[in-house]
Amino acid sequence: DSGVTQTPKHLITATGQRVTLRCSPRSGDLSVYWYQQSLDQGLQFLIQYYNGEERAKGNILERFSAQQFPDLHSELNLSSLELGDSALYFCASSTLVGEQFFGPGTRLTVL
Amino acid sequence: DQQVKQNSPSLSVQEGRISILNCDYTNSMFDYFLWYKKYPAEGPTFLISISSIKDKNEDGRFTVFLNKSAKHLSLHIVPSQPGDSAVYFCAAKSYNFNKFYFGSGTKLNVKP
Repeated sequence: DSGVTQTPKHLITATGQRVTLRCSPRSGDLSVYWYQQSLDQGLQFLIQYYNGEERAKGNILERFSAQQFPDLHSELNLSSLELGDSALYFCASSTLVGEQFFGPGTRLTVL
Repeated sequence: DQQVKQNSPSLSVQEGRISILNCDYTNSMFDYFLWYKKYPAEGPTFLISISSIKDKNEDGRFTVFLNKSAKHLSLHIVPSQPGDSAVYFCAAKSYNFNKFYFGSGTKLNVKP
């Protein structure tokens, strides 16, 4: 158990819909990262927050947004969903410079 | 722009032998490198790391080697065990920028 929790574990929705994925970091970690892993692909970095502020941005679509709240949990919002958005979404947390600890992921299926 | 590459999508080795997983990077600003292991339906778990001031780091059966001039790192697993069968990702970052770049992963199969 990495100490990072993600909900829900599975999510099935339809094209055009909007979903919210939630992540709670390890106790004491101020950084939260979001990654997307499509079928047989590597981990694609989406976005990083540190102590509530956006710190780095990767290949995140404009239809996607994220935020980190004062209690340090983070949410990833995916809107106008397309079939190609079906993937595993991982959240990870870390100290400012340390290794990342990953949550179990949310499997999103867009039908 | 794939700054971290794992060119072997899969590797199969016999139990008890050495597994060598390779990773190449292009950004000379990277100074911290990590390996993660991922089982199906689970998140990646941290395995071992190395900073650019070292060329080798060892932790039990796992050793990571860094060749900065070649921009290459490798993970050696000796001896390999069936429980090591998983997907292995390498990752890299620069110290002053906390964005991690991941390779596409190598699926290791250790045959009993």
